[in-house]
Amino acid sequence: SQQGEEDPQALSIQEGENATMNCSYKTSINNLQWYRQNSGRGLVHLILIRSNEREKHSGRLRVTLDTSKKSSSLLITASRAADTASYFCATDGWTGRRALTFGSGTRLQVQP
Amino acid sequence: DVKVTQSSRYLVKRTGEKVFLECVQDMDHENMFWYRQDPGLGLRLIYFSYDVKMKEKGDIPEGYSVSREKKERFSLILESASTNQTSMYLCASRSSSGSNYNEQFFGPGTRLTVL
Repeated sequence: SQQGEEDPQALSIQEGENATMNCSYKTSINNLQWYRQNSGRGLVHLILIRSNEREKHSGRLRVTLDTSKKSSSLLITASRAADTASYFCATDGWTGRRALTFGSGTRLQVQP
Repeated sequence: DVKVTQSSRYLVKRTGEKVFLECVQDMDHENMFWYRQDPGLGLRLIYFSYDVKMKEKGDIPEGYSVSREKKERFSLILESASTNQTSMYLCASRSSSGSNYNEQFFGPGTRLTVL
């Protein structure tokens, strides 16, 4: 079953604007990760936030985590055409299973 | 840099054929995974392995099997391919220790079409 659900499913913005993607999950987690996938390619890890953290930054990326609401958001500031990709949240639970559980993704289109 | 490679980018097979998808990682990772990706469904875990010769079923193992005879190689086998196995298949690996052990490293994917 899908743990994470991203919202929106698709997002189209102009270059220079900020892009916000949301992720909701169902069970308790150890950490939550965001990945990026360029069209037809494998996924690349972007950022990880642990369950005891509320916010994390990496370059133009800002991730928040609200464990009480079981939700996370990924903000990309000052977007560029090269940010066009699909973005997935993935949860890492406490079960000891080393696999991540991925959501269905947000497809981001940045218009130049 | 960690590198995960998959044997084919594109593959076309016929219904009933036995299909082998190979994945190799070069960073001595203990854990390896096979996912399939379908539009609107995200990535779904088929099988994973946390050590040589060890395997565990993921969320959708039916119709698939795996083999891990060497640490660096994890194979996904479709015993008798069916059209509903047409999908993008992604392999990933992950360390069990170290500073980035939470992160999964992905191969480029194999787009399999079963006719």
